[in-house]
Amino acid sequence: DAGVIQSPRHEVTEMGQEVTLRCKPISGHNSLFWYRQTMMRGLELLIYFNNNVPIDDSGMPEDRFSAKMPNASFSTLKIQPSEPRDSAVYFCASTLAGEKLFFGSGTQLSVL
Amino acid sequence: GDSVTQMEGPVTLSEEAFLTINCTYTATGYPSLFWYVQYPGEGLQLLLKATKADDKGSNKGFEATYRKETTSFHLEKGSVQVSDSAVYFCALKSGGSNYKLTFGKGTLLTVNP
Repeated sequence: DAGVIQSPRHEVTEMGQEVTLRCKPISGHNSLFWYRQTMMRGLELLIYFNNNVPIDDSGMPEDRFSAKMPNASFSTLKIQPSEPRDSAVYFCASTLAGEKLFFGSGTQLSVL
Repeated sequence: GDSVTQMEGPVTLSEEAFLTINCTYTATGYPSLFWYVQYPGEGLQLLLKATKADDKGSNKGFEATYRKETTSFHLEKGSVQVSDSAVYFCALKSGGSNYKLTFGKGTLLTVNP
């Protein structure tokens, strides 16, 4: 199995630009999570999808952040407009209705 | 709300030393408890878990026992290796949630040869 695949691995952009992060969960998994990791705040859950439906988006920082899951094999996290404080590592994770999360390798985002 | 507190890092040990990383939690109901490990440049992966009081999770020489009376889930290993160098995260899933994991801030472990 290829595991959870995220792209890009690294993204450097300028303040104000739109950023789109992509995730392909493990085939057959029905739950998908987006997390943000920073030194100050650790790992924060941004949004959780179950069967492609957003169930909990209470962790999404503000309206600049949006996430979609158009089908079971693809999800995006979009930041528009981006700000320097959005700089972090963004992880996607998936699971099959269980407690073991499988994480991707993350996207290192730097907003200048 | 739910919370997890881990010992501050970084922790630096010599090869074959004994490891303890402390973890305590606050949660509603009867949570499941986890240790995840993050190797450099990778995502987190599940190391071990325990789902009820007095359960011991173990994997790759690591162990942790679910202590309800002290609300703790300390990670231990008798003899660390250089390859154990990573960031370790304690986490819980509250009994009231079927999906939400609450993570500690992580503890960086460096093992020197």
